[in-house]
Amino acid sequence: KAGVTQTPRYLIKTRGQQVTLSCSPISGHRSVSWYQQTPGQGLQFLFEYFSETQRNKGNFPGRFSGRQFSNSRSEMNVSTLELGDSALYLCASSHQASGANVLTFGAGSRLTVL
Amino acid sequence: AQRVTQPEKLLSVFKGAPVELKCNYSYSGSPELFWYVQYSRQRLQLLLRHISRESIKGFTADLNKGETSFHLKKPFAQEEDSAMYYCALRGGSARQLTFGSGTQLTVLP
Repeated sequence: KAGVTQTPRYLIKTRGQQVTLSCSPISGHRSVSWYQQTPGQGLQFLFEYFSETQRNKGNFPGRFSGRQFSNSRSEMNVSTLELGDSALYLCASSHQASGANVLTFGAGSRLTVL
Repeated sequence: AQRVTQPEKLLSVFKGAPVELKCNYSYSGSPELFWYVQYSRQRLQLLLRHISRESIKGFTADLNKGETSFHLKKPFAQEEDSAMYYCALRGGSARQLTFGSGTQLTVLP
């Protein structure tokens, strides 16, 4: 079965622009989580969505937002980009009903802000 | 608040030697602990979780609540074990995983 798919894989933006990243979870998975990975801060939780509702949010400014669609696909948006937003953004899905809550990660979207 | 500490940023061992990657956590309740691994140019993937009490690729990890540790061990390291290893915790009603900073393991020939 197909894994977690993230698009685009790489993108370059300039300060002040905004960006939208997309994540398609594993078929049947209804929970999608987003993480930011940087060399300095490591993996930090951004937010989690389940059935189109944000269930949890990490400690990021309001410039970071997300949503989930009825087909469980999720997008995250970062507005007014700053140099420090350069990172690998990872999406992970899980099958909540299983109770195992094991996250399966995508390959990530690498964002470079110039 | 929950916190995960991996004290070693880099760890090198020779092939065939035992390896232990340390993980300590801070959480007042009963946590779920995980080890994730990221091989070169591959995506982050689950290695093992404490509730399964299983051995994956020869690795084991035991949750020690007294020492609040979840160290990852393998008796005989292989070159293909070279990767970045992350310890992660999920506690109580918190749904997100809190990751440690990771340990880059290099197994030398």
